[in-house]
Amino acid sequence: GAGVSQSPSNKVTEKGKDVELRCDPISGHTALYWYRQSLGQGLEFLIYFQGNSAPDKSGLPSDRFSAERTGGSVSTLTIQRTQQEDSAVYLCASSAPAEANVLTFGAGSRLTVL
Amino acid sequence: AQSVTQLDSQVPVFEEAPVELRCNYSSSVSVYLFWYVQYPNQGLQLLLKYLSGSTLVKGINGFEAEFNKSQTSFHLRKPSVHISDTAEYFCATSNDYKLSFGAGTTVTVRA
Repeated sequence: GAGVSQSPSNKVTEKGKDVELRCDPISGHTALYWYRQSLGQGLEFLIYFQGNSAPDKSGLPSDRFSAERTGGSVSTLTIQRTQQEDSAVYLCASSAPAEANVLTFGAGSRLTVL
Repeated sequence: AQSVTQLDSQVPVFEEAPVELRCNYSSSVSVYLFWYVQYPNQGLQLLLKYLSGSTLVKGINGFEAEFNKSQTSFHLRKPSVHISDTAEYFCATSNDYKLSFGAGTTVTVRA
């Protein structure tokens, strides 16, 4: 696609529910990232996928968070048993092999946990 | 670990005035530096990047930044801002593949 596409753009859920956030990267981009943006915490790295390599999950804040990337393209970030502190904007980004340091971001998914 | 510090959290500026956003980095290895802009309710957009070569980097929308190794700085400048430059600006550094962001600087342009 022309850009990084994320859905839903907004999600309101109740505490304790599970949520799934989707990211469709730019076609041909082999690297995919998830970041979290919240007040007081800034932009936090969550997870990184590169091709068929094992993902770097070092930024996931707890075992309630998981992500997968199917077929080297679309990625889903899953948050189980959501807590109020999970409220944030979740940003997905991708990068091309020739410019591994240059990330193109999606518009984000705003999650509100009541 | 590499990191960046943005020295100003808020920068108010009048339309057509110049603006400078300050960013300092800490690193003992090769440095890759970036400035991203985030307009309200949008994702981050790359303004410019320094990977190597010329220390003066020109980006989109009339922005430029200068890599200064002796001062470990990468300040962003624009000689004349527009109302549409109102946004949050993030300085970032890259460690291999992972971007680390500063806390952000909110620029508010007033008529």
